[in-house]
Amino acid sequence: SQQGEEDPQALSIQEGENATMNCSYKTSINNLQWYRQNSGRGLVHLILIRSNEREKHSGRLRVTLDTSKKSSSLLITASRAADTASYFCATDAGYSTLTFGKGTMLLVSP
Amino acid sequence: SQTIHQWPATLVQPVGSPLSLECTVEGTSNPNLYWYRQAAGRGLQLLFYSVGIGQISSEVPQNLSASRPQDRQFILSSKKLLLSDSGFYLCAWSVYPGYFSNYGYTFGSGTRLTVV
Repeated sequence: SQQGEEDPQALSIQEGENATMNCSYKTSINNLQWYRQNSGRGLVHLILIRSNEREKHSGRLRVTLDTSKKSSSLLITASRAADTASYFCATDAGYSTLTFGKGTMLLVSP
Repeated sequence: SQTIHQWPATLVQPVGSPLSLECTVEGTSNPNLYWYRQAAGRGLQLLFYSVGIGQISSEVPQNLSASRPQDRQFILSSKKLLLSDSGFYLCAWSVYPGYFSNYGYTFGSGTRLTVV
C-alpha cells in the first residue's frame, strides 16, 4: 500500500516562481526522502531528512518535516524549465525498504 | 564511484513468453537490491528486495520471481508473461538503510516492458 501521498498531483508554474509539494504519510518513520524522475527515466535522489530533523536545505531545495502531523513539504525556489519532472516522496519505516507515493508532476513553463 | 546498470531499456514480449531482466551494481559491496514496478501515472510498487546473496523477499504475490546469484547482480524473471506485467521496471540499490542512513536509493535507468 502507498505510505506517502503527494499533493498536488500536478502543478504548473512559470519560470522563476517557487514550487511547493506536500507529502503525507501514515506510520512512524526513520527518515523521509524526496526523489525526482524525468519522463521515462529512473529516479534520482534529491534529499533525505531524518525523523529528528525539522528542516533541511540543499541548493534551491528546502524540505520540512512535521512528524506530529506526519507530513513533509518540498520547496523548489526560483524554478527553471529544467525542473520539469515528477517528484516523489518516500518513507523509510525501518523495514529495509522505501515506500513511495504516487508523485507530483511539476511543469515549469519558460 | 558506484554505478548501476539495468538492461534492456525497452522490451516488447508476447503473452506467455519468459522474461529476464538483469541489474548489476559496481563500486560497492553487499548492497541492498530492489526491484520496483511503476505503472503509467502511478507510484512505485516494490516487487522484491534482497539484503544478501540468495536472500530474496517478495512483497507482492505474482508470476514474477527474483534471484541474486552474485553479490552485485539482481535478476527479475517470469516463466510466462501476462498482459498485466506491462510497466516500467526499476532496479535500485542502497547501503545502510534506516535511521542512521544519510543515503537514499540509487536507481537504474529502467526497463519499459510491453506485453502484447
